[in-house]
Amino acid sequence: GENVEQHPSTLSVQEGDSAVIKCTYSDSASNYFPWYKQELGKGPQLIIDIRSNVGEKKDQRIAVTLNKTAKHFSLHITETQPEDSAVYFCAAKFEGGGADGLTFGKGTHLIIQP
Amino acid sequence: GAGVSQSPSNKVTEKGKDVELRCDPISGHTALYWYRQSLGQGLEFLIYFQGNSAPDKSGLPSDRFSAERTGGSVSTLTIQRTQQEDSAVYLCASSAGQMNEKLFFGSGTQLSVL
Repeated sequence: GENVEQHPSTLSVQEGDSAVIKCTYSDSASNYFPWYKQELGKGPQLIIDIRSNVGEKKDQRIAVTLNKTAKHFSLHITETQPEDSAVYFCAAKFEGGGADGLTFGKGTHLIIQP
Repeated sequence: GAGVSQSPSNKVTEKGKDVELRCDPISGHTALYWYRQSLGQGLEFLIYFQGNSAPDKSGLPSDRFSAERTGGSVSTLTIQRTQQEDSAVYLCASSAGQMNEKLFFGSGTQLSVL
């Protein structure tokens, strides 16, 4: 089955700086890669996703890049703000590969220092 | 409400007791998932319902765990003879289609087994 590794487990950055979270996956057939943000006491919320036919996707201060050859994808947050503090999860999925949902990484606790 | 609703938000029980956790998905969503989130861990898939098809139970950790979905809407996750290692946040998610696009998560049930 799919295995998703996520790094770092904790990331602390100064407000205004950029943050980068990286994930690797094992199944080369995976073709859908979403990122979820989980704030304290809430369920995860999708913030951006990318499919394997695209190398990069951007939405305001958030961008995701995908390297299919190396089987890794990254989340980039620019001009970080206090409300970006949360736990971020990457995930990988082989569409059509079964009904067992997404394989999630273990999460990155992002701390924005004022 | 418009989101996924889970109840109770917190549940404290004694070892050996049975518990029931409830999930109300977004109206019209045909897919429903249960995940378990242990402290500092990622999201562990438990079970998946899609329409009237037989559920995918491949993630259930033991036969003490079961789930049902009545009328294609509300779902109940039951844990029998609870153990301390069952303590975790149990998250429910729903999505509109079979291809597991964008999951909408509830806020979860924090289960504590004493």
